[in-house]
Amino acid sequence: GEDVEQSLFLSVREGDSSVINCTYTDSSSTYLYWYKQEPGAGLQLLTYIFSNMDMKQDQRLTVLLNKKDKHLSLRIADTQTGDSAIYFCAESIRQGGSGGGADGLTFGKGTHLIIQP
Amino acid sequence: EAQVTQNPRYLITVTGKKLTVTCSQNMNHEYMSWYRQDPGLGLRQIYYSMNVEATDKGDVPEGYKVSRKEKRNFPLILESPSPNQTSLYFCASSRPGQGNEQFFGPGTRLTVL
Repeated sequence: GEDVEQSLFLSVREGDSSVINCTYTDSSSTYLYWYKQEPGAGLQLLTYIFSNMDMKQDQRLTVLLNKKDKHLSLRIADTQTGDSAIYFCAESIRQGGSGGGADGLTFGKGTHLIIQP
Repeated sequence: EAQVTQNPRYLITVTGKKLTVTCSQNMNHEYMSWYRQDPGLGLRQIYYSMNVEATDKGDVPEGYKVSRKEKRNFPLILESPSPNQTSLYFCASSRPGQGNEQFFGPGTRLTVL
């Protein structure tokens, strides 16, 4: 079945760049996502990348996709204390049959980003 | 405001006492799903629904039921809750098709004693 792997913890100093890595197994995934969960809160979609792209940049966020190696990364430039959260990588999984359907999500276990002052 | 709502937000109950967690969305989305989040395991899908009267099992459906009688509502039913169902539950909805953002509810923290 589908599997998404990411390391559980990452510690960085404030002002440095954070790079969170993820590997996935389903080569048919059309979209790959990064979600952010702050303590006690729900999930917030941070960014996503279409599988035929290599890179996507959105302000401080850069997503890199290596489709051959099934490797996805999220780089946060100039990491701030407000970036402290759990970051989930997720791949889309087709649900509902070939006649239509929708994208469900298979999530990684989440990476706790810890910011040191 | 476009949103997914869940009720209750917090619930403590005892083993075997049937409960329902409601989920409602106001975006006219066809697709809805339930996930549970456990420490060190991430989020896992319980059930999903493509539309009214169309539901299907996700990765961890055992011990749960769902129904989809109306487009906006997708309740999660635990007929006989057990302590291993203590978890944080999220409902989500989206339009059908590929690449459509899933909107998540705020979560329901359930403790089964």
